[in-house]
Amino acid sequence: EDQVTQSPEALRLQEGESSSLNCSYTVSGLRGLFWYRQDPGKGPEFLFTLYSAGEEKEKERLKATLTKKESFLHITAPKPEDSATYLCAVQDYGQNFVFGPGTRLSVLP
Amino acid sequence: DVKVTQSSRYLVKRTGEKVFLECVQDMDHENMFWYRQDPGLGLRLIYFSYDVKMKEKGDIPEGYSVSREKKERFSLILESASTNQTSMYLCASSLSGGGPSTDTQYFGPGTRLTVL
Repeated sequence: EDQVTQSPEALRLQEGESSSLNCSYTVSGLRGLFWYRQDPGKGPEFLFTLYSAGEEKEKERLKATLTKKESFLHITAPKPEDSATYLCAVQDYGQNFVFGPGTRLSVLP
Repeated sequence: DVKVTQSSRYLVKRTGEKVFLECVQDMDHENMFWYRQDPGLGLRLIYFSYDVKMKEKGDIPEGYSVSREKKERFSLILESASTNQTSMYLCASSLSGGGPSTDTQYFGPGTRLTVL
């Protein structure tokens, strides 16, 4: 059975304090790993898809990386508007899509 | 731009009522999904559809049904609402199962349903 865990559960940063969020997964065969951002009371917003170990994707202050067992979302010099819950999901070759519980990020000014 | 809309942002219903939640996507996507999201439990898949008039059960289908009469529209039905169905309901769509680049799911804004 596919499983996704995320750590930490919650993270509080000062503005400009870089950090990383972790997504660990077990999957029968990884078809893709997805990162989403979710603001309170809203639907998840797509950020990145990663397909194979070693792949990296960047968008503004965010960079996602992938290994065979985990993915990291690196946040460089975060701003208060980066505060949100970040969700990770994996898809296997059976088309099953499993979401992690999320990391709640707060960036203080 | 990707666009998934849901019929209501907030909904309050009474126990035993029949509830319809509607989702529309304008991207000609093949696949559509219904999830519920609860604190501590994350996103859980209720039903999904890979084509018009086709439906597949997800992880928690009990108490729900779905309808997909047109490609762009996917409805979630609570036949007899109960208090344990109070939740945030999220609809998503993806292009097709033809390859990993088409699998990305795009979400609607969600419907916060309260059953009294």
